[in-house]
Amino acid sequence: EDQVTQSPEALRLQEGESSSLNCSYTVSGLRGLFWYRQDPGKGPEFLFTLYSAGEEKEKERLKATLTKKESFLHITAPKPEDSATYLCAVWLQGAQKLVFGQGTRLTINP
Amino acid sequence: DAEITQSPRHKITETGRQVTLACHQTWNHNNMFWYRQDLGHGLRLIHYSYGVQDTNKGEVSDGYSVSRSNTEDLPLTLESAASSQTSVYFCASSATNNEQFFGPGTRLTVL
Repeated sequence: EDQVTQSPEALRLQEGESSSLNCSYTVSGLRGLFWYRQDPGKGPEFLFTLYSAGEEKEKERLKATLTKKESFLHITAPKPEDSATYLCAVWLQGAQKLVFGQGTRLTINP
Repeated sequence: DAEITQSPRHKITETGRQVTLACHQTWNHNNMFWYRQDLGHGLRLIHYSYGVQDTNKGEVSDGYSVSRSNTEDLPLTLESAASSQTSVYFCASSATNNEQFFGPGTRLTVL
C-alpha cells in the first residue's frame, strides 16, 4: 500500500534555530513530490514540486530536497511567521491525484 | 486573478439531511478534487474529476457524490448526512502537472 509518513508530528523552535522536517514514502512509482504550507483555518498553499532524486528547490528560508525514499524541508533561521503546518504529498505514476502525509505542525517562538 | 472558492464557509446541519457544498474555480483547470481533513487523518481524497462528465471515487467516497456539468464547478453532495461526516472539506483544482490549488475550506458540523 502506498504510504506517506511525516516526522516529527510537531516541532517547536526558537527564532533563528534551523531544522529539518522529514517526509518518507513507500510507493510503487513516484511521479513527483509536493510540499504545501497550511495556516490555521485556511487551505493548503503550494510551496514546491520535486520530480527526481537529487533535485533541490529553494524559497526564502525554505529548501526542499528529494532522495529515492524521502524528502526534507530545511528551514534556515526561521521567523515566527514561518509557523504553520507543513504537508507533503506524493504524485503516483498513472494517477492524476496526490496522497498526503499527516503534516508537521511547526511553531517558531520569538 | 484566477481563484477557487467554496461555499458555504460554515454549515451546521442535522443527521439525515441532504447537504451540498459548492466549489467554483476560475483557473480553467480540467482536474478537480474534494478532500476532507480530520485530526489524526490528514487530507483524504473523497472524489475527483478529470473533466466534464468525468467523476471518480477516492479513498473515502461512501456517503458522498459529485457531478461535473462544466469546467468551473464540482459540487459535493452528502446524500444523508451522518455525524461521522463532521469535518473540514477542501476543494482543489489542478492542470496536468498536478500542482493543486486549494480553496479556503468549508467547516461542516452534523448534529
